[in-house]
Amino acid sequence: KAGVTQTPRYLIKTRGQQVTLSCSPISGHRSVSWYQQTPGQGLQFLFEYFSETQRNKGNFPGRFSGRQFSNSRSEMNVSTLELGDSALYLCASTAQVNTEAFFGQGTRLTVV
Amino acid sequence: SQQGEEDPQALSIQEGENATMNCSYKTSINNLQWYRQNSGRGLVHLILIRSNEREKHSGRLRVTLDTSKKSSSLLITASRAADTASYFCATVFTGANSKLTFGKGITLSVRP
Repeated sequence: KAGVTQTPRYLIKTRGQQVTLSCSPISGHRSVSWYQQTPGQGLQFLFEYFSETQRNKGNFPGRFSGRQFSNSRSEMNVSTLELGDSALYLCASTAQVNTEAFFGQGTRLTVV
Repeated sequence: SQQGEEDPQALSIQEGENATMNCSYKTSINNLQWYRQNSGRGLVHLILIRSNEREKHSGRLRVTLDTSKKSSSLLITASRAADTASYFCATVFTGANSKLTFGKGITLSVRP
């Protein structure tokens, strides 16, 4: 079974631009969550999608948005990029509520 | 903050020794999970312990959970150089679906 796939692996963007990150969950997993990891703030929850609906949302500004498609693939979008958005963005999928999460390798976003 | 707190923040041991890492949290949980991360890559799930469980084993890993003290510990026995990584505890709070709340992490170095 293929694992969680995130694309692209690395991105360099300029302040003010927008970016879209993609995540393909493990086949059969309907829940996809996104996390931001920075040295200062650690791992922070962005949002969770289940069956195309946002089920949970973290404490991030509206510039951060996401969506999930009918095949469970998910995208997150960050608009009007700021230097502080530089981070490792991790996607995770779960088979059921309250079970282990499987993480992708992450997308390393650098904003210059 | 509902974030878990791990201690120590960093741990350096000799190969073959045991490593003990602790995690505390603040509110009622459904389960607690431990993850490992190598060099800023994706997180790998190690073990999940539910709120009604007190101890779980997986290979060289032993996890305990004390809900009265809101704390957990991860023991890695007979450590190897390959165990060098960052370790995170993550809690799933009651009613939070699949949302993981992570601690800051523990950096484990195992010297050959």
